[in-house]
Amino acid sequence: EVQLVESGGGLVKPGGSLRLSCAASGFTFSSYSMIWVRQAPGKGLEWVSSISDRSNYIYYADSLTGRFTISRDNAKNSLYLQMNSLRAEDTAVYYCARVFSSSPSGDYVNYFDSWGQGILVTVSS
Amino acid sequence: DIQMTQSPSSLSASVGDRVTISCRASQSISGYLNWYQQKPGKAPKLLIYAASTLQSGVPSRFSGSGSGTDFTLTISSLQPEDFATYYCQQSYITHYTFGQGTKLDLK
Repeated sequence: EVQLVESGGGLVKPGGSLRLSCAASGFTFSSYSMIWVRQAPGKGLEWVSSISDRSNYIYYADSLTGRFTISRDNAKNSLYLQMNSLRAEDTAVYYCARVFSSSPSGDYVNYFDSWGQGILVTVSS
Repeated sequence: DIQMTQSPSSLSASVGDRVTISCRASQSISGYLNWYQQKPGKAPKLLIYAASTLQSGVPSRFSGSGSGTDFTLTISSLQPEDFATYYCQQSYITHYTFGQGTKLDLK
């Protein structure tokens, strides 16, 4: 069974830093791209960042303005999100998810088939 | 980035109703469209990928259609467990984007 478990969230002051972790099990972690998605209280889903299986392709949402860094350690089956210069608007539940790719009708389509339970990050003084 | 717009933003319906949720992309995304269901306090759950392919284990009352810029999620006969928020998401480009969500509640 695929399992993704986030940790590292909590309360942090504006301008502070936090590192989220996502521990993966039940699948060959090194074979999949992974993502972070966040959800502000009462709001919708927002893609944050993606990392390919070997970390050679990394993407970020434009809104992050270089403050976040995604990384992974395939030997430890773990995904990370380093968040710096945190702002009140970064307050959200952060989810890690697996990117699955298949081609039901020719072209390969990416989708997020397994998600962690989410971890709350609160940025407040 | 590609903008995804869902309509309606909220919808009230009864058990047994047929419900349709629309999703429009700001540019053509071919069939690179996925649908998720989210219940309060829970992680999103994949329902449909590639516009119309049902994820394993998802009931057949859920279906998806569309291509290009216009897509539809249909629930043929609402069940009590279907009251939730639904999101579309494009994977045409790797700057993935979600629709704003459609909250489906009990009339």
